[in-house]
Amino acid sequence: GAVVSQHPSRVICKSGTSVKIECRSLDFQATTMFWYRQFPKKSLMLMATSNEGSKATYEQGVEKDKFLINHASLTLSTLTVTSAHPEDSSFYICSAHYGAGGDTGELFFGEGSRLTVL
Amino acid sequence: KQEVTQIPAALSVPEGENLVLNCSFTDSAIYNLQWFRQDPGKGLTSLLLIQSSQREQTSGRLNASLDKSSGRSTLYIAASQPGDSATYLCAVKSSSGYALNFGKGTSLLVTP
Repeated sequence: GAVVSQHPSRVICKSGTSVKIECRSLDFQATTMFWYRQFPKKSLMLMATSNEGSKATYEQGVEKDKFLINHASLTLSTLTVTSAHPEDSSFYICSAHYGAGGDTGELFFGEGSRLTVL
Repeated sequence: KQEVTQIPAALSVPEGENLVLNCSFTDSAIYNLQWFRQDPGKGLTSLLLIQSSQREQTSGRLNASLDKSSGRSTLYIAASQPGDSATYLCAVKSSSGYALNFGKGTSLLVTP
């Protein structure tokens, strides 16, 4: 299947700093990528939809000024957690839409990034 | 809003058993349904993708079925192995947009 790479896999930062997470589609172009957040023993929560060349679409309740998303190319989307606080500690996973079949395309996921804010 | 439910939340079986994981969704207007596997602290691995027009998909020891009208899908694992131990997630792509709606998963433990 298609490969989605996410970096870093783990990051620890101090409260108040910003952290950038990268999501790359390695062997295909992804006009649309998604960012999810996963809490322990909970289902994945969609944070935002990232569209290449345009502004991201955020889900209700997700602060767009806190979680900055940039999708500057067809193979790279970045999530920046600004002024991180301990409550932002979580597992963040990106996914990329693969396939020319429009809405019937398959989604592939990155390995996830574990953020710990001290 | 689409809601996805997975039953059971956890399952422990001895090696060699066949098992069934269940997934239900509230809105039958879907484009497709995917089953994923997630190992602790890792991302998601896509196992099977069933389009809305399909009834089942098979890959090795895995078979997934879809009954769109009743809002149900099952993942059948034959001859389970300890390496199958993981959390299995069901996700549905609804009519609005590309994003997936996930269930909370079934945590599977296969004991030797």
